Amino acid sequence: KAGVTQTPRYLIKTRGQQVTLSCSPISGHRSVSWYQQTPGQGLQFLFEYFSETQRNKGNFPGRFSGRQFSNSRSEMNVSTLELGDSALYLCASRGDKNVLTFGAGSRLTVL
Amino acid sequence: QKEVEQDPGPLSVPEGAIVSLNCTYSNSAFQYFMWYRQYSRKGPELLMYTYSSGNKEDGRFTAQVDKSSKYISLFIRDSQPSDSATYLCAARRDNAGNMLTFGGGTRLMVKP
Repeated sequence: KAGVTQTPRYLIKTRGQQVTLSCSPISGHRSVSWYQQTPGQGLQFLFEYFSETQRNKGNFPGRFSGRQFSNSRSEMNVSTLELGDSALYLCASRGDKNVLTFGAGSRLTVL
Repeated sequence: QKEVEQDPGPLSVPEGAIVSLNCTYSNSAFQYFMWYRQYSRKGPELLMYTYSSGNKEDGRFTAQVDKSSKYISLFIRDSQPSDSATYLCAARRDNAGNMLTFGGGTRLMVKP
């Protein structure tokens, strides 16, 4: 069974640009969540989607947004990038057993 | 103050040692507790998942939760160099979906 797939794995952007990250959950999982991981703040919850609906949202500015498609794939978008947005963005999917399985992440560097 | 606190380490032990990793938390609404292991350039991998207080054992790993003192522990027996990684504790309230609150992680190094 394939795991959680995130693309791209690495990307470099400049301040003011926007970025879109993609996540394909484990087959059959309908719940997808996004986390940001930085050395200073650690892992922080961004948002959660289930059946195309946002269920929970973390304490991040409106520049961070996401969506989920009917096939459970999810994307997150960060607009007007700031240096502090440099981080590893992790996607996780959850199945029936209430366990989160994380992908390898997308490492974003903002210059 | 963060809701889940964890000593960042690094913690260095010889191969075969018993490792004790700990977290404290402040939110008494947390009901579910997890330990994740994260290797460099990888996503976190779930090791242990417990509900409320008590012990849970899985192979060389034992997780303990003491809700009265708001203390979470992970013990690793017969530690191996392959156990070298960052260990993250996490907690979740009931009905919080996937919204986990993580500790900052403890970096563990097991030396051959």
